[in-house]
Amino acid sequence: AIQVTQSPTSLSASLGDRVTLTCRASQDINNKMAWYQQKPGEVPQLLIYYASTLQSGTPSRFSGSGAGTDFSFTISHLQSEDFATYYCLQGYSLYTFGAGTKLELK
Amino acid sequence: EVQLVESGGGLVQPGRSLKLSCVASGFTFSNYGMNWIRQAPGKGLEWVAYISSGSSYIYYAETVKGRFTISRDNAKNTLYLQMTSLRSEDTALYYCARGITIAAIPDAWGQGASVTVSS
Repeated sequence: AIQVTQSPTSLSASLGDRVTLTCRASQDINNKMAWYQQKPGEVPQLLIYYASTLQSGTPSRFSGSGAGTDFSFTISHLQSEDFATYYCLQGYSLYTFGAGTKLELK
Repeated sequence: EVQLVESGGGLVQPGRSLKLSCVASGFTFSNYGMNWIRQAPGKGLEWVAYISSGSSYIYYAETVKGRFTISRDNAKNTLYLQMTSLRSEDTALYYCARGITIAAIPDAWGQGASVTVSS
């Protein structure tokens, strides 16, 4: 089974900051990486799929990149509604979620 | 508007069975692969099972293989998850989620059905 290592586990940042999260797959997954946002008590929301394709409705301050085994997710200018937990998901061979990154206000 | 509504959750004793349902609306259910994904209290997301649009392809996580069965009834726009030999570690909120693209990446999710396995 493909393992996915997401980092960091938690991150403190300020409004307006640029933050980057990373996920590493245990083998080449081409571009089959997706990113989700989940706020407490809410359902996960798909933000990006195929590593860099923005899901309809995803604000342009969110972006994704990478291929093969290494992927990154960036929020260019943090807004208050962005503080949440983010998960990556590999969809190349079955599905594996990363452990999540909790983004908190500094 | 895409809607997915799960039902069938509850409190069940270890070793017993439970069947979840997910009724879909707002899209052509028979055109999409579907997933079950769970989240234990305070924990991360765990993919559980996938079924293709016509039920030809079915896959399970190793943690549930042999105990859980995913199925669907396209005439009723309904997805199912039959869970047997339940364990305490199966306690979670179970989401059904529609899959998009060839990789069936989950996009739309239901609100979840809560399953608690405890004596």
